[in-house]
Amino acid sequence: DAGVTQSPTHLIKTRGQHVTLRCSPISGHKSVSWYQQVLGQGPQFIFQYYEKEERGRGNFPDRFSARQFPNYSSELNVNALLLGDSALYLCASSVTPNTEAFFGQGTRLTVV
Amino acid sequence: SQQGEEDPQALSIQEGENATMNCSYKTSINNLQWYRQNSGRGLVHLILIRSNEREKHSGRLRVTLDTSKKSSSLLITASRAADTASYFCAASNTDKLIFGTGTRLQVFP
Repeated sequence: DAGVTQSPTHLIKTRGQHVTLRCSPISGHKSVSWYQQVLGQGPQFIFQYYEKEERGRGNFPDRFSARQFPNYSSELNVNALLLGDSALYLCASSVTPNTEAFFGQGTRLTVV
Repeated sequence: SQQGEEDPQALSIQEGENATMNCSYKTSINNLQWYRQNSGRGLVHLILIRSNEREKHSGRLRVTLDTSKKSSSLLITASRAADTASYFCAASNTDKLIFGTGTRLQVFP
């Protein structure tokens, strides 16, 4: 069975640009969450979606947005990229919120 | 910050020894989950312990939870070089996981 898949795996963008990261959850999982992990720290919560509705949002600026599609896949969008947005972006899926969350391999975003 | 803390920050042991990592969190929880991460890659789910459980086992892993102290511990028995990784606890609170700062475990052959 396929696990959580994220694309792309690596990405280099210039300050001020926009980026879209994609996530496909495990089959049967209806909840998708996004996390940002900077080097040397634990992941920080960005968004959670369940049944295509936003269930929670972390302490991130409005430049960050996300959505979940009818097939439960999800996109994370970041506008007006800053150098500080360079990080590993992780997607997690679970059957429902508060159940076991399984992570993808992440997208490594570098902003130059 | 709501982020939890893990102790120790780094741990070096020999193969065959046991490794114990501790985690403290700040919020009420539905459950607590432990993850392993190799070299900045994705997180691998190890075990989930519910808020009404005190201890759980999975293979060489033993997890305890003390909700009165808002703390958890992960014990890896008979460690192997392949256990070398960073380990994170994550407190599950309504809509999100709140991660600790992680413990870097190095197991020497």
